Amino acid sequence: EAGVVQSPRYKIIEKKQPVAFWCNPISGHNTLYWYLQNLGQGPELLIRYENEEAVDDSQLPKDRFSAERLKGVDSTLKIQPAELGDSAVYLCASSRDTGTGELFFGEGSRLTVL
Amino acid sequence: QKEVEQDPGPLSVPEGAIVSLNCTYSNSAFQYFMWYRQYSRKGPELLMYTYSSGNKEDGRFTAQVDKSSKYISLFIRDSQPSDSATYLCAMRSGTASKLTFGTGTRLQVTL
Repeated sequence: EAGVVQSPRYKIIEKKQPVAFWCNPISGHNTLYWYLQNLGQGPELLIRYENEEAVDDSQLPKDRFSAERLKGVDSTLKIQPAELGDSAVYLCASSRDTGTGELFFGEGSRLTVL
Repeated sequence: QKEVEQDPGPLSVPEGAIVSLNCTYSNSAFQYFMWYRQYSRKGPELLMYTYSSGNKEDGRFTAQVDKSSKYISLFIRDSQPSDSATYLCAMRSGTASKLTFGTGTRLQVTL
């Protein structure tokens, strides 16, 4: 079974530029998550999708961050414009059953904003 | 105060040692407790999963939950260099699927 796939793995951009990250969850997993992980910190939830619906986006900075999950499969997370403080690892995870809390993570997209 | 507190380490132990990793939490609604292992430049992977209080053993790993003290532990027996990673505790309440993570403890097992 293929795992959660994320791209790009690494991205370096100038501040104020836009950036987008893509995630393909494990087949059959209806729940998809985007997490932010700063250096030396645990992951923090940005947004959770149940199929196409964003059911928890309370931690997503909506002034510059946006996300979509068209057709309830792949998802894209966008930042526009990026700020220096956005440098972090953006993790995508998916789960089949939200009741167990067993999340499967991708390897992450590491963003550096100069 | 954070909902979940975890000593960031780093923790360095010799090969074969018993390792004890711990987290404390403040939210009494947490019922599901997990330990994730994260290798450098990789995503976290689920290591242990427990519900409510008690112990759970899986090979060299034992997870303990003490809800009365709001304290969870992960023990690693006969530690190996391949156990060198960051260990993240995570927990959630029974009615929500949001996982709250600790900061992670970086473990180094030396030869």
